[in-house]
Amino acid sequence: EAQVTQNPRYLITVTGKKLTVTCSQNMNHEYMSWYRQDPGLGLRQIYYSMNVEVTDKGDVPEGYKVSRKEKRNFPLILESPSPNQTSLYFCASRDLAGGSNEQFFGPGTRLTVL
Amino acid sequence: DAKTTQPNSMESNEEEPVHLPCNHSTISGTDYIHWYRQLPSQGPEYVIHGLTSNVNNRMASLAIAEDRKSSTLILHRATLRDAAVYYCILRWANFGNEKLTFGTGTRLTIIP
Repeated sequence: EAQVTQNPRYLITVTGKKLTVTCSQNMNHEYMSWYRQDPGLGLRQIYYSMNVEVTDKGDVPEGYKVSRKEKRNFPLILESPSPNQTSLYFCASRDLAGGSNEQFFGPGTRLTVL
Repeated sequence: DAKTTQPNSMESNEEEPVHLPCNHSTISGTDYIHWYRQLPSQGPEYVIHGLTSNVNNRMASLAIAEDRKSSTLILHRATLRDAAVYYCILRWANFGNEKLTFGTGTRLTIIP
């Protein structure tokens, strides 16, 4: 089944404790992206990647890092999480070569930073 | 990004058609109109997109006004599973960032 998976789905952590949220897609998509969703603010893009080893900042990159060493994986790294990073996070991917406009989203990761 | 305006909420009876409006008066000639929906506790899901002509797929139809300043997503026969937040999004057809700019969307409630 074509899908985007995220792990963990739920995470409660404390300020300053480094964490990684993994994202993986099995559709050989070139493009991958991370969003955060907050009440009243909608979904905002954090980082995106057009292909392996190519990443760039979105609208709200502060406090986050990403890497794209393999085509299928796009982990989101919080080196020193803070309470304002408590949010619902979504990973997305899209096939750039095939011409489809559809973006596929993962199920989300709910992060709470105490 | 050009702005879209949608009603905050709508209700519809089960098994009846639903028309979800979207205004985008500042749309540019290269903006595609996309619709996504977000079911409760899930990630957004692609519904349909179009540029100028009306579009149909297995999920819905998209009716685009002749001047492209508005569009309507049509669910032909609503089911309880269609209860979700529906987002109308404009996206420039470039070859750069594929960012989707989500607004607050329309929360659709289906009445059994």
